[in-house]
Amino acid sequence: DQQVKQNSPSLSVQEGRISILNCDYTNSMFDYFLWYKKYPAEGPTFLISISSIKDKNEDGRFTVFLNKSAKHLSLHIVPSQPGDSAVYFCAASGVRNQGGKLIFGQGTELSVKP
Amino acid sequence: GAVVSQHPSRVICKSGTSVKIECRSLDFQATTMFWYRQFPKQSLMLMATSNEGSKATYEQGVEKDKFLINHASLTLSTLTVTSAHPEDSSFYICSARDQIDQPQHFGDGTRLSIL
Repeated sequence: DQQVKQNSPSLSVQEGRISILNCDYTNSMFDYFLWYKKYPAEGPTFLISISSIKDKNEDGRFTVFLNKSAKHLSLHIVPSQPGDSAVYFCAASGVRNQGGKLIFGQGTELSVKP
Repeated sequence: GAVVSQHPSRVICKSGTSVKIECRSLDFQATTMFWYRQFPKQSLMLMATSNEGSKATYEQGVEKDKFLINHASLTLSTLTVTSAHPEDSSFYICSARDQIDQPQHFGDGTRLSIL
């Protein structure tokens, strides 16, 4: 049972354009969502998070949107840079009732072309 | 801030060997640490959660006698893969967090190869 899904295994974007990575979840008990960036043979690096009481959180070039009714979140990167090329994982957590364990999606490999 | 150090980064050893992996939070106190396993082209799968000074909580299907976890201090957790076999070969990653509503911060992982 995949509770967190990233249906696009890969995404290719031109430098300077917007990258939009999508994530869907099924468990309505999730109340905290995060995006991580990962390079091969390294651990994930935390990018941005959002609590379920919000629908948007912005940090520099990164914005996360949460649509609770659709159980969907997305990460927008604008403008995209070649250094953004990596695998992006979304993760969900039930802080109030699941001890804050993270459930990860399968990842989306972003390639930003110069 | 929020640096997690994991050591060693790579281990190659013979079948039957026990391997210890260390995870340290360098600039914060990690109330809770997590151990994950990642197979190629797949997501991170949580193996166990450990809180300082108490026994680890293992996810379903993870053998606690096979994967021994010790979280003796607020900055150090260890994972010992006992009597490792080729099927234990994988990428093991730890993470740590301070408060429950804070992000987990990850180490750089350990590539374990059992011959």
